[in-house]
Amino acid sequence: GAVVSQHPSRVICKSGTSVKIECRSLDFQATTMFWYRQFPKQSLMLMATSNEGSKATYEQGVEKDKFLINHASLTLSTLTVTSAHPEDSSFYICSAPNWETQYFGPGTRLLVL
Amino acid sequence: DAKTTQPPSMDCAEGRAANLPCNHSTISGNEYVYWYRQIHSQGPQYIIHGLKNNETNEMASLIITEDRKSSTLILPHATLRDTAVYYCIVRPEAAGNKLTFGGGTRVLVKP
Repeated sequence: GAVVSQHPSRVICKSGTSVKIECRSLDFQATTMFWYRQFPKQSLMLMATSNEGSKATYEQGVEKDKFLINHASLTLSTLTVTSAHPEDSSFYICSAPNWETQYFGPGTRLLVL
Repeated sequence: DAKTTQPPSMDCAEGRAANLPCNHSTISGNEYVYWYRQIHSQGPQYIIHGLKNNETNEMASLIITEDRKSSTLILPHATLRDTAVYYCIVRPEAAGNKLTFGGGTRVLVKP
């Protein structure tokens, strides 16, 4: 199957700082990628759709100015959590479609102190 | 997208078949049934998908009822490494469409 990577796998930062998470499709190209967030013992919640060459589409209730998404190329999307606060601590997961299937990255665990 | 209903949890014995049910009574004609699983602290892993016909791959079998209102994922010989949360998702055909995750079924494989 297709491979999606994320970097970093885990990050700890201080409140008020910004954190960038990268999502790469390693062996295929993706004009669209998706960003999810997962809190402990909960299911994945879609945050936004990342579109190569155009603006991201955000789900209702997700602040676009706080969660900046850039789809820089056909294999890379980045999510920047700006001015992070402890409530932003979560597991962030990206996915990318290839043919009929979406493939997920391994996730990035963010802890904001 | 059609909503799915799954039991919140189930146990199964190592080496036995695990049958995971999913109800999707409002599924539309162009919607596929997808199954993913998420092992603790990892990203979801694709298992299998189908439209109308039963499907089988190296991981599992998918049985879809004739009216397509429900399906069953079968893990033929469950191992301890199959312990995970299993998600049944329905969505339109295009892979670029987003996936909406429900609560899934937490499967615990016991020795």
